[in-house]
Amino acid sequence: DAGVIQSPRHEVTEMGQEVTLRCKPISGHNSLFWYRQTMMRGLELLIYFNNNVPIDDSGMPEDRFSAKMPNASFSTLKIQPSEPRDSAVYFCASSRTGSEAFFGQGTRLTVV
Amino acid sequence: GNSVTQMEGPVTLSEEAFLTINCTYTATGYPSLFWYVQYPGEGLQLLLKATKADDKGSNKGFEATYRKETTSFHLEKGSVQVSDSAVYFCALSDQGEDDKVIFGPGTSLSVIP
Repeated sequence: DAGVIQSPRHEVTEMGQEVTLRCKPISGHNSLFWYRQTMMRGLELLIYFNNNVPIDDSGMPEDRFSAKMPNASFSTLKIQPSEPRDSAVYFCASSRTGSEAFFGQGTRLTVV
Repeated sequence: GNSVTQMEGPVTLSEEAFLTINCTYTATGYPSLFWYVQYPGEGLQLLLKATKADDKGSNKGFEATYRKETTSFHLEKGSVQVSDSAVYFCALSDQGEDDKVIFGPGTSLSVIP
């Protein structure tokens, strides 16, 4: 398996623009996680899906953030409108029930 | 709810020194425990894991033992190398909590020659 695949690897956008981050989990994994990592706040869990259903989105910072998982092999994290404080590395991870999470390489987002 | 606590960093050691990074957890069920490592500019990688009490996970010279009585999973290495410089995250996964993987805040390690 190719592992968790995220795209794009880098994204630079202007404030106010819509940003969409994409993730393809490992085949057979039933849990998917979106994390945000910054120097100030460390690694934060944004949202967690189990069997394509959002289970816990308490980490989503505000209404500008939304995430979807239309099927078992794809998820998106959307920020609309983006702000400079959203600049961070966004990680997607997937796992089987009760097992370890496998991480993608991350998307480095810069909002100018 | 479940939580993971790690020792504060950053930690700076000389090459060949002994490393300990403390990790303790709180869980309602019987979790699996993990250590992840993040090298500069990369994503998190699983370093080692343990799934039941007294299990010892080991990899690349690192070890951690699942201690249920002290709810701990401390990471150790007998002789660190410069290439071990990274951020280390302790984590747990508990099937009793919707299978969510919970991470500690991470401990930054710098090894100097």
